[in-house]
Amino acid sequence: AQTVTQSQPEMSVQEAETVTLSCTYDTSENNYYLFWYKQPPSRQMILVIRQEAYKQQNATENRFSVNFQKAAKSFSLKISDSQLGDTAMYFCAFMNPQGAQKLVFGQGTRLTINP
Amino acid sequence: GAVVSQHPSWVICKSGTSVKIECRSLDFQATTMFWYRQFPKQSLMLMATSNEGSKATYEQGVEKDKFLINHASLTLSTLTVTSAHPEDSSFYICSATAGGPGNEQFFGPGTRLTVL
Repeated sequence: AQTVTQSQPEMSVQEAETVTLSCTYDTSENNYYLFWYKQPPSRQMILVIRQEAYKQQNATENRFSVNFQKAAKSFSLKISDSQLGDTAMYFCAFMNPQGAQKLVFGQGTRLTINP
Repeated sequence: GAVVSQHPSWVICKSGTSVKIECRSLDFQATTMFWYRQFPKQSLMLMATSNEGSKATYEQGVEKDKFLINHASLTLSTLTVTSAHPEDSSFYICSATAGGPGNEQFFGPGTRLTVL
């Protein structure tokens, strides 16, 4: 079974700084998808970024980028020029495209952006 | 992005009663819907996977008779918490996908259930 581990329960940075959230996973699959979801205080889950394992290029969405290290099974999220609205819980998630395509979530990292 | 709604957004009920939560995909047909449970300050725990017209697949440890899931159409899935007890109090979240490998799951806003 796949597992996802986020080793940083909480992080806090100043506005405009860059912050990196860590995520590691365990799988025997070669083809899979990785996601970062954001859950702000409203508790609405929002997709931040998506990475396909067979693509070597790291995904980027504006201020958000990932460092995908397939051999190390690592998938970190970098937030540049952090903004107050980035304050949220961030969940790393794994999906095996075979079968039911369930998401396996990590424990989450609570990120606080301070003014 | 696609929109998924949940109703109600919050509900308070007495112990022993049943509560139904609806999950709707508003602008797309959802081949698969998922139900999650989230305790305070914790991650999402998958309860079951629901495909239209077929029985839901429950995760290990989730009581099928306790959490009844019906996926009657490509836009509606319901979760019924039967004979609710205080320990069932939680935040329930649904998500929906139109299918296809690695397709994004769109999440509903969640339903807060409090059982007195």
